Amino acid sequence: NAGVTQTPKFQVLKTGQSMTLQCAQDMNHNSMYWYRQDPGMGLRLIYYSASEGTTDKGEVPNGYNVSRLNKREFSLRLESAAPSQTSVYFCASSALDRGLYTGELFFGEGSRLTVL
Amino acid sequence: GENVEQHPSTLSVQEGDSAVIKCTYSDSASNYFPWYKQELGKGPQLIIDIRSNVGEKKDQRIAVTLNKTAKHFSLHITETQPEDSAVYFCAAMSKDSSYKLIFGSGTRLLVRP
Repeated sequence: NAGVTQTPKFQVLKTGQSMTLQCAQDMNHNSMYWYRQDPGMGLRLIYYSASEGTTDKGEVPNGYNVSRLNKREFSLRLESAAPSQTSVYFCASSALDRGLYTGELFFGEGSRLTVL
Repeated sequence: GENVEQHPSTLSVQEGDSAVIKCTYSDSASNYFPWYKQELGKGPQLIIDIRSNVGEKKDQRIAVTLNKTAKHFSLHITETQPEDSAVYFCAAMSKDSSYKLIFGSGTRLLVRP
């Protein structure tokens, strides 16, 4: 039972380089999310996709783009990486139930990105 | 938008003692409050959650309390064990924030044997 799978797990970039973080879930969830985790800052939402075909900005979207490729996959792209984007990135998915206002997030194991 | 503050940032307790982590939220429309536990090198995992129509919820050694008037909620861990050592995050969600889950800054709990 794979759950949420992120690749790569580690990446080092130089300032200005681009890269894409990949995420896939096998739980048939409608909603998917990208968070970044920084010391003392908790988990901050970058972008999310409530359902296939839709994406919305979260708390810290600047410098990122996303693509909801299909129901399973949600990628995060850094077009021109900056040192401020050094962080641990987490993808998550949820069977969000808007009627009950609940929705457990299932997280991947994270991708550690360093921008030099 | 919603803002969630969490305290303390670090907490050290002796094995067997209780631990309490507190969070406050700003959006009175928030109605779902989960707690996540993150072990070293892993993604966060849900350990307990509470909805706004409930004041308290228990699951074995962990409990969550909610005070909607004061807009704060707390995680209580009793009889702590070394395996409880982890980072804990509170979060809040509301329909008004488009069901986005907003997290607190985290509490690093250390349980000393």
